[in-house]
Amino acid sequence: KNEVEQSPQNLTAQEGEFITINCSYSVGISALHWLQQHPGGGIVSLFMLSSGKKKHGRLIATINIQEKHSSLHITASHPRDSAVYICAGKISNFGNEKLTFGTGTRLTIIP
Amino acid sequence: DVKVTQSSRYLVKRTGEKVFLECVQDMDHENMFWYRQDPGLGLRLIYFSYDVKMKEKGDIPEGYSVSREKKERFSLILESASTSQTSMYLCASGSNYGYTFGSGTRLTVV
Repeated sequence: KNEVEQSPQNLTAQEGEFITINCSYSVGISALHWLQQHPGGGIVSLFMLSSGKKKHGRLIATINIQEKHSSLHITASHPRDSAVYICAGKISNFGNEKLTFGTGTRLTIIP
Repeated sequence: DVKVTQSSRYLVKRTGEKVFLECVQDMDHENMFWYRQDPGLGLRLIYFSYDVKMKEKGDIPEGYSVSREKKERFSLILESASTSQTSMYLCASGSNYGYTFGSGTRLTVV
């Protein structure tokens, strides 16, 4: 079982719909990252959060530490939001840190 | 604008060749990472480094080595490339404030 699990694996929605992508983790983390990867492109960091909620434009990320769960929401979705969204937990161990990744959610927004 | 630059976007190499993938960051980050990304498996950590000349094995180090002679440069080396190493390779650098990824190198070993 992966330490970081995402759902759904694939999501197709109509333009304008409200989108939710979920991430659950089974290990202790010091922070959780949400990343975006466009086809053939590099990875862009969207959020890093360790508690509560962060908002940037139409994107909102929340985290519940007790439930070990995070969500990424997209309001008023647009075809340009089509990408793979990846959550990653930052694990710290004896002063070292590394990211453990979910396998990603492929989002397709249809005009 | 902060950057992590990977030397090649696409690379085709023959089985048995020695392959160098270069990564340079301009953010003065101490932490640098090499990942490979494969369909259905997500990103997996190959090696990472927390300082010049220091390296740590990640989850899948077999068949790879790394070099960090300068703070800004982290190189991934495939000593003898195999077809199983065909993949997308991503470099990242990080601090307590977040991570920045390079645009990736798609390596094909034939």
